Amino acid sequence: DAGVTQSPTHLIKTRGQQVTLRCSPKSGHDTVSWYQQALGQGPQFIFQYYEEEERQRGNFPDRFSGHQFPNYSSELNVNALLLGDSALYLCASSLDQRADTQYFGPGTRLTVL
Amino acid sequence: GDSVTQMEGPVTLSEEACLTINCTYTATGYPSLFWYVQYPGEGLQLLLKATKADDKGSNKGFEATYRKETTSFHLEKGSVQVSDSAVYFCALSAQGGSEKLVFGKGMKLTVNP
Repeated sequence: DAGVTQSPTHLIKTRGQQVTLRCSPKSGHDTVSWYQQALGQGPQFIFQYYEEEERQRGNFPDRFSGHQFPNYSSELNVNALLLGDSALYLCASSLDQRADTQYFGPGTRLTVL
Repeated sequence: GDSVTQMEGPVTLSEEACLTINCTYTATGYPSLFWYVQYPGEGLQLLLKATKADDKGSNKGFEATYRKETTSFHLEKGSVQVSDSAVYFCALSAQGGSEKLVFGKGMKLTVNP
């Protein structure tokens, strides 16, 4: 049974560009949450998708947007990249939005130059 | 808002030493509490959890007890191994349906043989 998968593993962009990160949830999970983990910090909640809708959102600007597809996979889009967006982006999947069932993927390392 | 404060490292121990990582939280009501571990180059893995006061979570020799009176969830292990070298994160999810996780900053543990 594959766990949570994310692509790409690493990504390098320049300021002002746009980026799309992808996540496939664990089999049987219907909820996807995205977190940003800056170097040396704990993960911070960006938003959560359930039934193809954004259900909760953390303290992130509108440059961060997402989408969930009918097969429960998800994308995170970041527009107008800033240097401060450099981080590890983690995807977590869960069942019925429950935090105690969240499984995390290995993350996508984004570097903005 | 909800927050988690945990002991920051880095910490270096010798194999078979005792480990305690302090974690306190601020939240209304009765949040669920978690310890996650992040091994080098990997995503977050749930280590243990507790969902109500006085619950003890345990896994792989690690233990933590949910103390409502001191708003704490300290992680303990009696004898650490080299394979326990990782970053440890304390986290909470708020009571009442807020299914996002709020993380502490993490503590890097290195265990030497």
